Amino acid sequence: EEQLVESGGGLVKPGGSLRVSCAASGFNFISYSMNWVRQAPGKGLEWVASISSERTFIYYADSVKGRFTISRDNVKNSVYLQMDSLRAEDTAIFYCAKGDGSAPIGGFDIWGQGTMVIVSS
Amino acid sequence: SYDLTQPPSVSVSPGQTASITCSGDQLGNKYVSWYQQRPGQSPILLIYQDKKRPSGIPERFSGSNSGNSATLTISGTQAMDEAAYYCQAWDSSTAVFGGGTKLTVL
Repeated sequence: EEQLVESGGGLVKPGGSLRVSCAASGFNFISYSMNWVRQAPGKGLEWVASISSERTFIYYADSVKGRFTISRDNVKNSVYLQMDSLRAEDTAIFYCAKGDGSAPIGGFDIWGQGTMVIVSS
Repeated sequence: SYDLTQPPSVSVSPGQTASITCSGDQLGNKYVSWYQQRPGQSPILLIYQDKKRPSGIPERFSGSNSGNSATLTISGTQAMDEAAYYCQAWDSSTAVFGGGTKLTVL
């Protein structure tokens, strides 16, 4: 069964840092792009970042560019999101999502359960 | 930046057909995906590449895309279809989601 499990969420102060992780299983991880999508409380989905299968293409939303870094470990079948200079408006559930191809150009066909990030003093 | 616009809400009676639209500039030239999100749950992919259904998605869900608008159609709507629905497309190396449509089955 294809599965994504996020971890690492929590409470962090404004200006602080946090790294969330996503462990993949049940599919050939190295063949697919991976993505982070967030959802603020009561709001819609917002794409955050994407990384292609071989790390050739890395894209960020303007709202996080320069503050967040997406990376992946194709040996550990994991994708990460390093979040620095966090702001209150970054408070959200962060979902890991598998792309439907090696390049980040299509849909997101598998989603994790999400990990909550709260930025508050 | 590129925007996708969806109606905030749509209502439908059980057994009827619901249509949810997603509009964007030249959207017909892009591939559109659709997601369903029930309250308290993670999104699931319903439609990709405008009209393809992943395995396990019921045939009552279908999609189309032309011109400046894409449409998700739910035939024979059931109570379990009550959820939020999001369209998504890529523009200039950026993934864009529509604002979401709350489908009420009443």
